[in-house]
Amino acid sequence: AQSVTQLDSHVSVSEGTPVLLRCNYSSSYSPSLFWYVQHPNKGLQLLLKYTSAATLVKGINGFEAEFKKSETSFHLTKPSAHMSDAAEYFCVVNLNRDDKIIFGKGTRLHILP
Amino acid sequence: SQTIHQWPATLVQPVGSPLSLECTVEGTSNPNLYWYRQAAGRGLQLLFYSVGIGQISSEVPQNLSASRPQDRQFILSSKKLLLSDSGFYLCAWSWRSTGELFFGEGSRLTVL
Repeated sequence: AQSVTQLDSHVSVSEGTPVLLRCNYSSSYSPSLFWYVQHPNKGLQLLLKYTSAATLVKGINGFEAEFKKSETSFHLTKPSAHMSDAAEYFCVVNLNRDDKIIFGKGTRLHILP
Repeated sequence: SQTIHQWPATLVQPVGSPLSLECTVEGTSNPNLYWYRQAAGRGLQLLFYSVGIGQISSEVPQNLSASRPQDRQFILSSKKLLLSDSGFYLCAWSWRSTGELFFGEGSRLTVL
């Protein structure tokens, strides 16, 4: 079955330290992959997307993600966390064969002062 | 530019009553359309999606249904609401070439 798994429901990091949010996908076809962020009481915002071009994708606010087909992963990283990064992050897979778009269950990122 | 409208924003309904949530997209044609339900700790659960008029794919067997009577209109319905239908419902659209989703502002449904 096609799916997307976010391995951590909560991640806590100190301000100024690196962020790693993990995502693995399962798909029989070449997927498109996305990361969205949702701040408290706000709508969803696209952080970045992978659509079969460069495997290292840069997004907004200093985030980036690397598509690794051999590991079926699309982990989100940021070199230095900022307090404003505290939010919920969703890894999303577009199963291109039939346009089904599936969300992971989300990872809530906490930034410690 | 493209816009998406979703209404009503808030709805309180008794158990067993019908439901109709409506979503329309402006400024584009032949979009893919999606209904999601968001619950804490469960992310966004895909309920229905549509790649064209009258074409509906259902992901979750339950007492909800969806229809797409026009190219840019997507309706979520129920004949009889259950308590478990309470939640935050999001409509979204995408271009097929990119898969990037654009969301409506959501409808919060409370079933009492």
